[in-house]
Amino acid sequence: DIVMTQSPDSLAVSLGERATINCKSSQSVLYSSNNKNYLAWYQQKPGQPPKVLIYWASTRESGVPDRFSGSGSETDFTLTISSLQAEDVAVYYCQQYYSTPYTFGQGTKLEIK
Amino acid sequence: QVQLQQSGPGLVKPSQTLSLTCAISGDSVSSNSATWNWIRQSPSRGLEWLGRTYYRSKWYNDYVVSVKSRITINPDTSKNQLSLQLNSVTPEDTAVYYCARVAGGGVNWFDPWGQGILVTVSS
Repeated sequence: DIVMTQSPDSLAVSLGERATINCKSSQSVLYSSNNKNYLAWYQQKPGQPPKVLIYWASTRESGVPDRFSGSGSETDFTLTISSLQAEDVAVYYCQQYYSTPYTFGQGTKLEIK
Repeated sequence: QVQLQQSGPGLVKPSQTLSLTCAISGDSVSSNSATWNWIRQSPSRGLEWLGRTYYRSKWYNDYVVSVKSRITINPDTSKNQLSLQLNSVTPEDTAVYYCARVAGGGVNWFDPWGQGILVTVSS
């Protein structure tokens, strides 16, 4: 199984500042035949299911603000929120869909400083 | 717009069977591109993919090893829904259970998700 490890577990950032969340996979999730990284980022707010923000490691889902961006390849990935807004308070998860069993990171709780 | 509506009991006794249903609107459980998944979330285990069912000229299932001996995911084509059964539950199976679609055709992530049901295993 591919183990996904996020850092940090929690993060407090001031409004308007940058937030950076890291995700590391135990093996590469880059599929060589199409050069795509099989990694997604989700945002989960209390009482709601996770919502996809980013897929293919760096493609923003329709309707997601452009302050959210994803980067990285193979085993190391980053979710960046360029200017934190109050509505971004949530838990963020990375997930690999390279192979079953699909696996998630443990989550990063983002709060306002 | 695809929507998933979950139903089922929120309390199950230890050793009994957890049964949940996920009704699909806007897509078909018999889709030749989508897969239909169950995922659970608990403080101790985080988000855990449990398994999936999908149709590719015939029905297939995949399950995570940790519950493989206890889980069944079934499609119900007459009602356009899928079900989850988890046998011999223990308090460690207490979690919020979600159904979710992977659309396929190049869309390989979970979207949408059902609303989630908290299932507590307790006597």
